[in-house]
Amino acid sequence: GNSVTQMEGPVTLSEEAFLTINCTYTATGYPSLFWYVQYPGEGLQLLLKATKADDKGSNKGFEATYRKETTSFHLEKGSVQVSDSAVYFCALSDQGYGGSQGNLIFGKGTKLSVKP
Amino acid sequence: DTGVSQDPRHKITKRGQNVTFRCDPISEHNRLYWYRQTLGQGPEFLTYFQNEAQLEKSRLLSDRFSAERPKGSFSTLEIQRTEQGDSAMYLCASNLAGFYEQYFGPGTRLTVT
Repeated sequence: GNSVTQMEGPVTLSEEAFLTINCTYTATGYPSLFWYVQYPGEGLQLLLKATKADDKGSNKGFEATYRKETTSFHLEKGSVQVSDSAVYFCALSDQGYGGSQGNLIFGKGTKLSVKP
Repeated sequence: DTGVSQDPRHKITKRGQNVTFRCDPISEHNRLYWYRQTLGQGPEFLTYFQNEAQLEKSRLLSDRFSAERPKGSFSTLEIQRTEQGDSAMYLCASNLAGFYEQYFGPGTRLTVT
């Protein structure tokens, strides 16, 4: 079945450091790919998405490119801030009823801590 | 736009008791999803509805679990004869069919003692 594998954390960085969180997936068909973020004490929020190969999703300085050839969707940010400390989840959309977008399949999450 | 709400936010129950959680989606959303998240793991899909129809159920949804969305608005998730392994965060999400983003509620944290 479809699955998502992301690098295990925790990841600890100093402010202004470069961030990469690796995510690879296994899927049949052409899923959409997502990064969700969970800040301490809050619910899951969509950070960015890409719906087809070579698409680049971006938001709040974060970027990820849908690479079909390597089945990857790595999250990057050039300069992290303390406020980026959170748990980051990579996810893909499973095929749902009648071929429509269905439920999400998540990786285990990567906890990021940014120190001032 | 009030977002997805869930009630209660926390529930502590004794093993063997029944519990029920409620989810109110964003009002115009016709799809509603339930997920379960245990410590250190990502959310795992349980079931989803389009309007009042339950379209998909995960194998994680054992016979002790039942979900309803009787009028296509709010949904309830009931767990009968709770077990310690049911302790988790239960998340609800909603969206419009055909749209990619799912909007998540804050979750209900269940502790079974």
